[in-house]
Order: sequence, then C-alpha cells, then structure tokens
Amino acid sequence: DVKVTQSSRYLVKRTGEKVFLECVQDMDHENMFWYRQDPGLGLRLIYFSYDVKMKEKGDIPEGYSVSREKKERFSLILESASTNQTSMYLCASSLWDRTTYEQYFGPGTRLTVT
Amino acid sequence: DAKTTQPPSMDCAEGRAANLPCNHSTISGNEYVYWYRQIHSQGPQYIIHGLKNNETNEMASLIITEDRKSSTLILPHATLRDTAVYYCIVRVETSGSRLTFGEGTQLTVNP
Repeated sequence: DVKVTQSSRYLVKRTGEKVFLECVQDMDHENMFWYRQDPGLGLRLIYFSYDVKMKEKGDIPEGYSVSREKKERFSLILESASTNQTSMYLCASSLWDRTTYEQYFGPGTRLTVT
Repeated sequence: DAKTTQPPSMDCAEGRAANLPCNHSTISGNEYVYWYRQIHSQGPQYIIHGLKNNETNEMASLIITEDRKSSTLILPHATLRDTAVYYCIVRVETSGSRLTFGEGTQLTVNP
C-alpha cells in the first residue's frame, strides 16, 4: 500500500520561530510537492522537486524554502513563521511518468502560528 | 490549464448513483480531465482520469462528452464514506505534474 507520511498532524508555533515540516514517501517516486490549503483558496502549490537536490518554485514560494537530500524525504521550512502562514500543509508525491500524473497525498499538517 | 466549473454542493442518497458534473468549456485537445476527492481531515485522493474516452475503475466512472467541454464523475452506489469534496481538474500532460485544485463539489451522502 502506497504511503506518504507527514511528521505531525497538528503543530503550534510562535511568530518568528523556524519551522520544519517533514514528508516521507515509500514509493520511490521522483516527484514530491508541498501545498497549502486555505478556505476559499483551494490548494496552492508552494514548491516541488523532481529529483534529489532539485527544487522548483510553485505559485506561492515566498516565506518558504525546501530541502530534498534523499529521494524519499522532502522538507518544507518556514524560516521565520508568521501568522499568515497558519494553514493546512499537504505533501504529495508522484512518479515521473508522462502518461499518468496521479499524485499521492499525505494526511496533512495543520499549522497554527500565534 | 483550462478552468473548470463545478456546483458547490450536492446531496445523494446512500446506495444511489452520485453524478458529479464538471464544465471545462475551454479545454484544449491535449488536456486531460482528472478527478480527486478529499475526505474531511485527509489529503486529496486520486480517483480517475481520462482524455476523451469514457473510463471506469474500481472507484468510479468518468463520462466525457464528445466535444470534451464537460464531464461527469459517477459513483455507482454511493456510501456514507463517499462524503467528501470532489475536485475536477484539467491539465496538460507537459506541465510538470502540477495540479491546480479549485473549490470542488461537496458531496454529502445521506442515509
């Protein structure tokens, strides 16, 4: 059974803290993604990676960075958390396959920044 | 990628077929139609996708009109566990695996 896991389901951090959100997939997928989901705005892509040490900006990368040192792990970093980064964060992975772009999602991390 | 339009909410009785419509009138010839769903407090889950032919898998059927301007996702025998937000997404195969999720349709299956 395919699996994408995220380090925490719920997280509460203070403004200005450095925050790490971890994502691990066990499917040997090349692509990994970080999204945030907010009411009325749907899912928005923050960053994605198509290979180890490679990364591409998504639609809303400001205030975030990422790290992919191993194929199975993709980390999202909030260098200095702010209250407008309170959101649900979703990680996903997919195969690099031109005919099927099925993405597998993790359960999400609900981050609250106070 | 083409924009999609879905009704914000629908209801369905348990055991009956749920038919979820999606309009994508500006779809291009090389754009696929994808359906995902998101059960409350979970990440989105892939359901099915298609280009122009109707598709069926163990979860659902996808009916795409001949002009490809609209499609319908069919859950043949809806259960309470099918209550979720259903997203219709249209995307080009070459856009690097990016998916753009709109607001979707909240399907509520009633006992």
